[in-house]
Amino acid sequence: DTGVSQDPRHKITKRGQNVTFRCDPISEHNRLYWYRQTLGQGPEFLTYFQNEAQLEKSRLLSDRFSAERPKGSFSTLEIQRTEQGDSAMYLCASKAGTRDTQYFGPGTRLTVL
Amino acid sequence: AQTVTQSQPEMSVQEAETVTLSCTYDTSESDYYLFWYKQPPSRQMILVIRQEAYKQQNATENRFSVNFQKAAKSFSLKISDSQLGDAAMYFCAYALTGANSKLTFGKGITLSVRP
Repeated sequence: DTGVSQDPRHKITKRGQNVTFRCDPISEHNRLYWYRQTLGQGPEFLTYFQNEAQLEKSRLLSDRFSAERPKGSFSTLEIQRTEQGDSAMYLCASKAGTRDTQYFGPGTRLTVL
Repeated sequence: AQTVTQSQPEMSVQEAETVTLSCTYDTSESDYYLFWYKQPPSRQMILVIRQEAYKQQNATENRFSVNFQKAAKSFSLKISDSQLGDAAMYFCAYALTGANSKLTFGKGITLSVRP
């Protein structure tokens, strides 16, 4: 049983560029979450998928952010026209059922220059 | 809205000693979960222990145990026989039961272990 994986682990980009991150959840997990964590803070919820349906989005998820989960498997998080304030660790988590625990991936660290 | 508060930004413990990390939360719900997650310097978030609010018995996992006081909305983590590998950031988190059950995290506490 492999854990949650995320790719890339690190991304450095210039302001104004688009970036896309990928998350592969644990295979039997149909629930998938994205969080953002800035330095010295706890993670903050961004969005949630149940299978392929995006059921909730935080107001932190501006219109420059979009997330997808085609076919209910892996998920992508895209940030368009990146800003320096987008620099953070982006964490993905998955779980199987409603009452189960979320398991986290290693995260993607984004640095916007 | 639910909030989670960790008021101690840093703590230090001597190896083999016991340390308690504090957490309080605010909610009007009755059915929820509480968690302690550990984030070592490599930054992979790892579950330490979880507590269901409907259970009166405090959860334990080997050297880790919690003191869950539902009325006081307090959820502290006790680490016994501290080891060097326990050094990390520890986050207290809350989640409602139900379809979304997103996690709400506190700001975390940095635990250092002195050899």
